[in-house]
Amino acid sequence: GESVGLHLPTLSVQEGDNSIINCAYSNSASDYFIWYKQESGKGPQFIIDIRSNMDKRQGQRVTVLLNKTVKHLSLQIAATQPGDSAVYFCAENTKGYSTLTFGKGTMLLVSP
Amino acid sequence: NAGVMQNPRHLVRRRGQEARLRCSPMKGHSHVYWYRQLPEEGLKFMVYLQKENIIDESGMPKERFSAEFPKEGPSILRIQQVVRGDSAAYFCASSPRDDNQPQHFGDGTRLSIL
Repeated sequence: GESVGLHLPTLSVQEGDNSIINCAYSNSASDYFIWYKQESGKGPQFIIDIRSNMDKRQGQRVTVLLNKTVKHLSLQIAATQPGDSAVYFCAENTKGYSTLTFGKGTMLLVSP
Repeated sequence: NAGVMQNPRHLVRRRGQEARLRCSPMKGHSHVYWYRQLPEEGLKFMVYLQKENIIDESGMPKERFSAEFPKEGPSILRIQQVVRGDSAAYFCASSPRDDNQPQHFGDGTRLSIL
């Protein structure tokens, strides 16, 4: 289930389950959104992006959904694997120069 | 490895010293961004550069911090007279253009101030 920890929200799932990570963004003018995965000691790794003229985009095992009405973004991971364990950040583009504003992140823990 | 390269990976400085962080963007990328990350927080934008130009430095403290991206060589983030509060992970990202292309990140420099 999902719980709010001392610092990062944490989602704990079993291997093979589907995971849904949510993100609320604040700027209604944002027109580009990215999901990143960050493993311990490493930099953010690009997963998938979506532009504001779309509401859904699919990649390999991942789907991003965008609801502009409520300013909500979600990342769905199918058949979650232990290697998916990491912190996941959503990021939005708030200026024309592609400077990104990051959310606080969600830690995904996958148990074998 | 054609990714974004940052060095050093770890840097230890005493208060008052200078820290220099280097970033070589991905091949073909001319846009460089620097971000700072505190433990268990998201990344905070600092500065955006193109070759020989600072495009947006709105996230960078006005004192002690500077950045450059010369015509030749890596981008440099420089912190003068470091203080304990500068301890953080500093990440560099690059992109080929500025029109909503994903930014690709290096593995960061972890700066520790004694």
